[in-house]
Amino acid sequence: QKEVEQNSGPLSVPEGAIASLNCTYSDRGSQSFFWYRQYSGKSPELIMFIYSNGDKEDGRFTAQLNKASQYVSLLIRDSQPSDSATYLCAASSTSGTYKYIFGTGTRLKVLA
Amino acid sequence: NAGVMQNPRHLVRRRGQEARLRCSPMKGHSHVYWYRQLPEEGLKFMVYLQKENIIDESGMPKERFSAEFPKEGPSILRIQQVVRGDSAAYFCASSPLRSTDTQYFGPGTRLTVL
Repeated sequence: QKEVEQNSGPLSVPEGAIASLNCTYSDRGSQSFFWYRQYSGKSPELIMFIYSNGDKEDGRFTAQLNKASQYVSLLIRDSQPSDSATYLCAASSTSGTYKYIFGTGTRLKVLA
Repeated sequence: NAGVMQNPRHLVRRRGQEARLRCSPMKGHSHVYWYRQLPEEGLKFMVYLQKENIIDESGMPKERFSAEFPKEGPSILRIQQVVRGDSAAYFCASSPLRSTDTQYFGPGTRLTVL
């Protein structure tokens, strides 16, 4: 059973701090990884994707991928109350159909 | 430049009725994925379709559920004889010509079975 695991949280951080969200995956063949943000009652919204080992930065967001450790993370710098949401990590399946395997999400609370 | 469209946004059905959920992918996208999200749970893959073809339905329950993506018109996820356990948010996602591309999600259909 291919899995993606995340700590469900909630992860609470003060406004302005760095929020660090982590994700591990079991399918060593997975090549593509995605972070989505989901507000309560809304649909997932793409934040970032990463394919290569190392860091990828986009504004306040940095995705990190370590394929040897099967580990993906998302850092949010200068966290804002509006960042409070559930963050979903997804790995693209290696079955040939590129369906996503999602983690259950980490709930982030940014305290004003 | 419309995104992925889904309708209806909310659907209420009584046990035993049929639910029909529609998804129109983004312009230029030919790959459609359906996911289900139960309350307080993550998204689970159901089915992957291209025009007139079901590519992967490994996540679909064997009974009562079916999906199609005709040459013309939206993709349809059909649930026959709904039960209370079918109550969930159903999301459609689409990606462009290459199936490795990022998937973009629609607003979802929230199905409530009474």
